Amino acid sequence: KQEVTQIPAALSVPEGENLVLNCSFTDSAIYNLQWFRQDPGKGLTSLLLIQSSQREQTSGRLNASLDKSSGRSTLYIAASQPGDSATYLCAVWNQAGTALIFGKGTTLSVSS
Amino acid sequence: DTAVSQTPKYLVTQMGNDKSIKCEQNLGHDTMYWYKQDSKKFLKIMFSYNNKELIINETVPNRFSPKSPDKAHLNLHINSLELGDSAVYFCASSSGLAGGSTDTQYFGPGTRLTVL
Repeated sequence: KQEVTQIPAALSVPEGENLVLNCSFTDSAIYNLQWFRQDPGKGLTSLLLIQSSQREQTSGRLNASLDKSSGRSTLYIAASQPGDSATYLCAVWNQAGTALIFGKGTTLSVSS
Repeated sequence: DTAVSQTPKYLVTQMGNDKSIKCEQNLGHDTMYWYKQDSKKFLKIMFSYNNKELIINETVPNRFSPKSPDKAHLNLHINSLELGDSAVYFCASSSGLAGGSTDTQYFGPGTRLTVL
């Protein structure tokens, strides 16, 4: 059964710092991996999707990497801003390819 | 234009009542989902539908019955509500059926259900 773990659960940094959020999954036979952002009281916004054949994806200040063999993904945020404060969720497709399996998220707080 | 919309946004009701949450997507997607986010913020799949057909039911009590009148709608009806049903329920959609799909899932804003 696929399980997704995210570390750390919470992170506080001053504005301008570069940071890394970690995601690990137990079954390396994934179809793809997706990173989401959730603001308090809001829905999820997709940030990056990495196909199983890819190693990384970039969007602006965000870079996500994928190492299937070790069951790990990282989300790198460059030059963090207070507006980046949110919960970041990592998700992989389940073995049947019918739904996303989510981690519990990392809550990021960026202070100005 | 809202891609995935849910109504209502907030729902407060008594134990034992029956309630429905509606979801609509205007993205032309074939697959829709319901997720439950509990008090610890853990998000878990409940159902997925592809072209109005049930694809997955993740051991959800049969008090929960999804209904898909057409590809653009997936409603969630809950009978005999219990305290433990209190959570935020998210609807989502994607272009194709997963399993090799590279499509992003798009989420609605959520419905916060409180059972008293």
